[in-house]
Amino acid sequence: DTEVTQTPKHLVMGMTNKKSLKCEQHMGHRAMYWYKQKAKKPPELMFVYSYEKLSINESVPSRFSPECPNSSLLNLHLHALQPEDSALYLCASSKPGQSQETQYFGPGTRLLVL
Amino acid sequence: GQSLEQPSEVTAVEGAIVQINCTYQTSGFYGLSWYQQHDGGAPTFLSYNALDGLEETGRFSSFLSRSDSYGYLLLQELQMKDSASYFCAVKDSGNTGKLIFGQGTTLQVKP
Repeated sequence: DTEVTQTPKHLVMGMTNKKSLKCEQHMGHRAMYWYKQKAKKPPELMFVYSYEKLSINESVPSRFSPECPNSSLLNLHLHALQPEDSALYLCASSKPGQSQETQYFGPGTRLLVL
Repeated sequence: GQSLEQPSEVTAVEGAIVQINCTYQTSGFYGLSWYQQHDGGAPTFLSYNALDGLEETGRFSSFLSRSDSYGYLLLQELQMKDSASYFCAVKDSGNTGKLIFGQGTTLQVKP
């Protein structure tokens, strides 16, 4: 199984809503990532979890809150988002250490904030 | 800091060969990765070069010259389905797992 799954595929939310994005992988990868991608731009790293511990937070606003409940799951909790947060949110996983250049991406959640 | 430069757009015809170049500036270098992303889709890992030379995987090959801080992705026998964005990427010099992506090259394959 070389698949990373993400739900939901699409999400529309108001600025006062609370929602969560979910990501799952069963490849035994112990590094998991959240990226944000705007149209015609490269993915932009938000968070890295290594062995279920947050190892990188790229100065992401606190309205984005990541969670890694176990080695297969990664969540991104959203609260009080702004319209400029509308983007494709990608989850990825990899083996930790030297293999981190090989990342497997999920299909993404396309988020629209109204 | 780290930066990668790649052309923004490339156009080629079906059946042709196209080369997408990537030059990088990094304070620490582990290797160069390539990812493909179709419109509306997710990035897909294509290749990784840690050592100088050419790596071939089917119709796609990737080359690295560490001394020139340069690499390229070579796509042969182009097919319409190869129309996509291609990103080169390097790992952050702090070995944190963070990938630094180039701005991406949009490849358009014409009939």
